[in-house]
Amino acid sequence: EAQVTQNPRYLITVTGKKLTVTCSQNMNHEYMSWYRQDPGLGLRQIYYSMNVEVTDKGDVPEGYKVSRKEKRNFPLILESPSPNQTSLYFCASRAPAQPQHFGDGTRLSIL
Amino acid sequence: EDQVTQSPEALRLQEGESSSLNCSYTVSGLRGLFWYRQDPGKGPEFLFTLYSAGEEKEKERLKATLTKKESFLHITAPKPEDSATYLCAVQDLSGNTGKLIFGQGTTLQVKP
Repeated sequence: EAQVTQNPRYLITVTGKKLTVTCSQNMNHEYMSWYRQDPGLGLRQIYYSMNVEVTDKGDVPEGYKVSRKEKRNFPLILESPSPNQTSLYFCASRAPAQPQHFGDGTRLSIL
Repeated sequence: EDQVTQSPEALRLQEGESSSLNCSYTVSGLRGLFWYRQDPGKGPEFLFTLYSAGEEKEKERLKATLTKKESFLHITAPKPEDSATYLCAVQDLSGNTGKLIFGQGTTLQVKP
């Protein structure tokens, strides 16, 4: 089954403790993105990648890092999380000229 | 600046009561307009892509239309299982090819 898999699905952590949210897709897609979804603000792009070793900032990249060492994986790294990064995060992937497929989300709470 | 506005924010319908959701957009050049459905606890699920004014797409009880300034998602004779949040997004011709600009969504509740 074609899918985008995120882990963990839920995480409660504390300020400053580094964390990584993994994202993996099994569709051999070139493009991958991370979004955050906040009430009243909708979905906003954090980072995207057009292929292995090619990444760039989206609209809200501050406080986040990404890497794309393999085509299937696109982890999101919060090196020093802060409470304003409490949000619902989605990873997405797509093939050229095709719509994005989204994972089921990761709900992060940073205390 | 690219912008997407959806209305209404929330919509309650009786089963069988047809209605429309609106998505107004401002974009320098439209690469595509997308409709997604999002259920609680799930990621957005792709419904339609529209590329040019006048284009229409249909799927079961849903029909999406596009003009130069807005898109409508028409829901004909909805059923309770159509209850979800419907998201509209646009992709600009300029800028990074992966980014979607999303509206805030319309939450639809269909009562039996």
